[in-house]
Amino acid sequence: NAGVTQTPKFQVLKTGQSMTLQCAQDMNHEYMSWYRQDPGMGLRLIHYSVGAGITDQGEVPNGYNVSRSTTEDFPLRLLSAAPSQTSVYFCASSYSWVAEAFFGQGTRLTVV
Amino acid sequence: SQQGEEDPQALSIQEGENATMNCSYKTSINNLQWYRQNSGRGLVHLILIRSNEREKHSGRLRVTLDTSKKSSSLLITASRAADTASYFCATSDPSGSRLTFGEGTQLTVNP
Repeated sequence: NAGVTQTPKFQVLKTGQSMTLQCAQDMNHEYMSWYRQDPGMGLRLIHYSVGAGITDQGEVPNGYNVSRSTTEDFPLRLLSAAPSQTSVYFCASSYSWVAEAFFGQGTRLTVV
Repeated sequence: SQQGEEDPQALSIQEGENATMNCSYKTSINNLQWYRQNSGRGLVHLILIRSNEREKHSGRLRVTLDTSKKSSSLLITASRAADTASYFCATSDPSGSRLTFGEGTQLTVNP
């Protein structure tokens, strides 16, 4: 059982480039979410999804897009990367938003 | 803004001692959860306590919840060097479909 798989683990982007962070889970969880973690600021919610075809904004959605075409996958797109998006990104999934969340190992993104 | 705030931000103890971390939150909750994060890794769920529960145990972990004070505490008894990690509280609110994390407590257990 792989759990939550994030790719890539590390990425360096130039300002203005776009990219997609991949997240896949094999636990048939309906709820998936993306967080960013910055030093001293804990985890901040970017976007979340309560099921295929349904997404909503979290606390810090600007500059990011998501879609949920399948239960398993929840990609996060950076439209035009900015240095302020340098962070560690975590994807999580759970049975529901009130249940235990399972996290991926993170993607460390640097925007130069 | 963050829903939960952990206290202290950092805690350093000796092996065998108990470690207590506190979490305060601002709005009503469905439940409160505690997670651990080892350096450079993802978060791992430790324990969940529902809003109608006051105390919960899991192995060396003891969690309390006081909804009147909007606060929770995590006690790790007989700590080990392997307990060195960051600990986060997270709250799920009844209406928001969100799990919101605090800023974490960095625990260092010295051998």
